[in-house]
Amino acid sequence: GQNIDQPTEMTATEGAIVQINCTYQTSGFNGLFWYQQHAGEAPTFLSYNVLDGLEEKGRFSSFLSRSKGYSYLLLKELQMKDSASYLCAVRDSNYQLIWGAGTKLIIKP
Amino acid sequence: IAGITQAPTSQILAAGRRMTLRCTQDMRHNAMYWYRQDLGLGLRLIHYSNTAGTTGKGEVPDGYSVSRANTDDFPLTLASAVPSQTSVYFCASSKGANTEAFFGQGTRLTVV
Repeated sequence: GQNIDQPTEMTATEGAIVQINCTYQTSGFNGLFWYQQHAGEAPTFLSYNVLDGLEEKGRFSSFLSRSKGYSYLLLKELQMKDSASYLCAVRDSNYQLIWGAGTKLIIKP
Repeated sequence: IAGITQAPTSQILAAGRRMTLRCTQDMRHNAMYWYRQDLGLGLRLIHYSNTAGTTGKGEVPDGYSVSRANTDDFPLTLASAVPSQTSVYFCASSKGANTEAFFGQGTRLTVV
């Protein structure tokens, strides 16, 4: 079966760095996406990785290792507004997105 | 403002009633999707459409139907609602099958 695993919840301090991990087992791989979802709102696109390595976008970076079925989202200089759920999704061989349950990130002052 | 719009934003529905959730996008995206999101679970695909005139079944299609008469609209119909269909429903669209998806604001549906 297809499976995406992420921690359910993480806590970090304002100004710090946090790494959210995602491991996946899917039938084929056509890219990995990270989305941010604030409570009661729609998911919004953060990053996309299809090749191994690190993609950097301002305070957010995403890493992919296809051989390990592993990705992480790195958030630097955390701000209170970063409190949200972070969703990992993999596009499988049929180009359908398989979603993890999301990691709820709590930022403390 | 270009985007994707869902209606209604929330609804309480009696079991057994028929309901259509509306979704419209003005980005001329080819692909559209309907997901449901339940607490503790990832987004689950109900139905999708890769282009106008075609639809496909996702992971949890039972009890739902869709149509894609044109590029912009992708309504989701619950023929006879049941309490297990209580969920938040998100419509999404993407330019192609391998690009990022943009989401509507969601419809919170409660079936009682």
